[in-house]
Amino acid sequence: KAGVTQTPRYLIKTRGQQVTLSCSPISGHRSVSWYQQTPGQGLQFLFEYFSETQRNKGNFPGRFSGRQFSNSRSEMNVSTLELGDSALYLCASSLTSGGKGETQYFGPGTRLLVL
Amino acid sequence: QQPVQSPQAVILREGEDAVINCSSSKALYSVHWYRQKHGEAPIFLMILLKGGEQKGHDKISASFNEKKQQSSLYLTASQLSYSGTYFCGTPSSGSARQLTFGSGTQLTVLP
Repeated sequence: KAGVTQTPRYLIKTRGQQVTLSCSPISGHRSVSWYQQTPGQGLQFLFEYFSETQRNKGNFPGRFSGRQFSNSRSEMNVSTLELGDSALYLCASSLTSGGKGETQYFGPGTRLLVL
Repeated sequence: QQPVQSPQAVILREGEDAVINCSSSKALYSVHWYRQKHGEAPIFLMILLKGGEQKGHDKISASFNEKKQQSSLYLTASQLSYSGTYFCGTPSSGSARQLTFGSGTQLTVLP
């Protein structure tokens, strides 16, 4: 089975612009979660989608949004980019949206640099 | 609340053992362990569930002390490929897809 894929892998934007990142989960997986990883804050949860619905949201401003399509692919959008948004954005997929024993599988990430 | 990992970094020689700890200030139902190499995605290693169930890696073992709200990852006879940053994650809510991760333990295995 192919793993989680994320596009693009690298992105350079300037302050004030917006960006859309894409994630395709493992085939058959219906849940997609997004995380932001920075050297200072570490790995932080952004939000989770299951069956095209946002199920959980982390402590991030409204500039960060996402959606999920009927084929489980997900996109996240960051509007009005700030320098502090520079980070590795990781997408993780899991089979369903139930239970504390569910395994998440991470994609390679999109490295965003905001200038 | 973010789980606390210790040590922050460890350097060892091939064949040596290491223990990485993860503790939480709140009740744990499960602990998820990942390893991340520089520039790569975190790779799933293991889940430990309340009640003693484990799912994961063949060559890495772990323990989960529910009373102490702690988990430990045991790396025995370390190989060069074990180098990387190890993260523990705990569910923030009823969902295991909202994980709060520790700050990581950087493990370096030297030949």
